[in-house]
Amino acid sequence: GAVVSQHPSWVICKSGTSVKIECRSLDFQATTMFWYRQFPKQSLMLMATSNEGSKATYEQGVEKDKFLINHASLTLSTLTVTSAHPEDSSFYICSARTGQGAYNEQFFGPGTRLTVL
Amino acid sequence: SQELEQSPQSLIVQEGKNLTINCTSSKTLYGLYWYKQKYGEGLIFLMMLQKGGEEKSHEKITAKLDEKKQQSSLHITASQPSHAGIYLCGAGEDTTSGTYKYIFGTGTRLKVLA
Repeated sequence: GAVVSQHPSWVICKSGTSVKIECRSLDFQATTMFWYRQFPKQSLMLMATSNEGSKATYEQGVEKDKFLINHASLTLSTLTVTSAHPEDSSFYICSARTGQGAYNEQFFGPGTRLTVL
Repeated sequence: SQELEQSPQSLIVQEGKNLTINCTSSKTLYGLYWYKQKYGEGLIFLMMLQKGGEEKSHEKITAKLDEKKQQSSLHITASQPSHAGIYLCGAGEDTTSGTYKYIFGTGTRLKVLA
């Protein structure tokens, strides 16, 4: 099956710094990538949807200026958490989709655990 | 927009017992996925249902999609400690703005006592 990687798998940073998380589709081109965050004991919440070459679509309540998403190529999307604070500590997962249509399968990355001190 | 509600929120069962988790959608489902996860780890794909009335099984896990395609159930037979984790249903939708988004249900935390 198709593989999606994330880097780093975990990161610890100081409050106020920025952190970049990469999401790569290794053996396919992803027209759409999604970013989710998950708090302990909770489900995955969609943060934003990004299409290659265009601006990301953010879900209500997600700060665009804080969570910068760049989908520069068909195999790479990045999420930058700017001026991170302890409340941004969470588990972030990306997913990639190859094409169109409701039945088009999603492939998920293994996730990145962010801890902000 | 579409919402996926799961019940129960959490479940504790004795090893060997059967259990059922439900996922109800606010809109007609055009594809419903089930995953298993442990917090801080990636998703494990279990199965996908597309057609109304469809039922699929894998080992001791059976998932069904109702005829109206708005509710799915996941049934585990003779549960084992290895079944413990968070179970998530997921579905995609084409939004009114023409974009596509993929969301998850509220999640069900399962604990199996040995």
